[in-house]
Amino acid sequence: DVKVTQSSRYLVKRTGEKVFLECVQDMDHENMFWYRQDPGLGLRLIYFSYDVKMKEKGDIPEGYSVSREKKERFSLILESASTNQTSMYLCASSPPGGVSNQPQHFGDGTRLSIL
Amino acid sequence: SQQGEEDPQALSIQEGENATMNCSYKTSINNLQWYRQNSGRGLVHLILIRSNEREKHSGRLRVTLDTSKKSSSLLITASRAADTASYFCATDAGAGNNRKLIWGLGTSLAVNP
Repeated sequence: DVKVTQSSRYLVKRTGEKVFLECVQDMDHENMFWYRQDPGLGLRLIYFSYDVKMKEKGDIPEGYSVSREKKERFSLILESASTNQTSMYLCASSPPGGVSNQPQHFGDGTRLSIL
Repeated sequence: SQQGEEDPQALSIQEGENATMNCSYKTSINNLQWYRQNSGRGLVHLILIRSNEREKHSGRLRVTLDTSKKSSSLLITASRAADTASYFCATDAGAGNNRKLIWGLGTSLAVNP
């Protein structure tokens, strides 16, 4: 089975801090995704990557950046955390064949609180 | 904007009953996917159905797709307490390199023992 591991289940940070969320997958998937999930808003795509060092903006990239230096690892960076970035962050990966026509495999999420 | 919208928002049934959830979408699609999310956990992929397919089964799950009505349904037969979760549909949208999954807000299913 595909395993997507997110480094923290719960994280508390302060406003203005630089925050790193790490995600690792073990199935050699080309595609990796970062979403945030908020009540009433559903899953919203922040960034995705279809190859090492490649990245594409999703629907809500403002305030975030990403890094993919190795195929198995996709990092989400909050450059200067703000309270409106308090959310559940979900990482996912999928095999090649298009970012939208393959099943996505999710980690268990990081619940991030910005105080 | 939401491409997929699930209906109902919440559903409560007794163990052993069938549960039906619906998903409507607005634009033409190549495929539609259903996922389950247990409380506080990540999403788990259930079924992918392509636009040229009308029905797909996986164990106790049955998914139908009606492209003329731009709708899909997920049926869980003989439900169990362990089926309690939120269920999401996701459709592909956009074109070319901008193609991505668009997620509905989900149906919250409670199966009472």
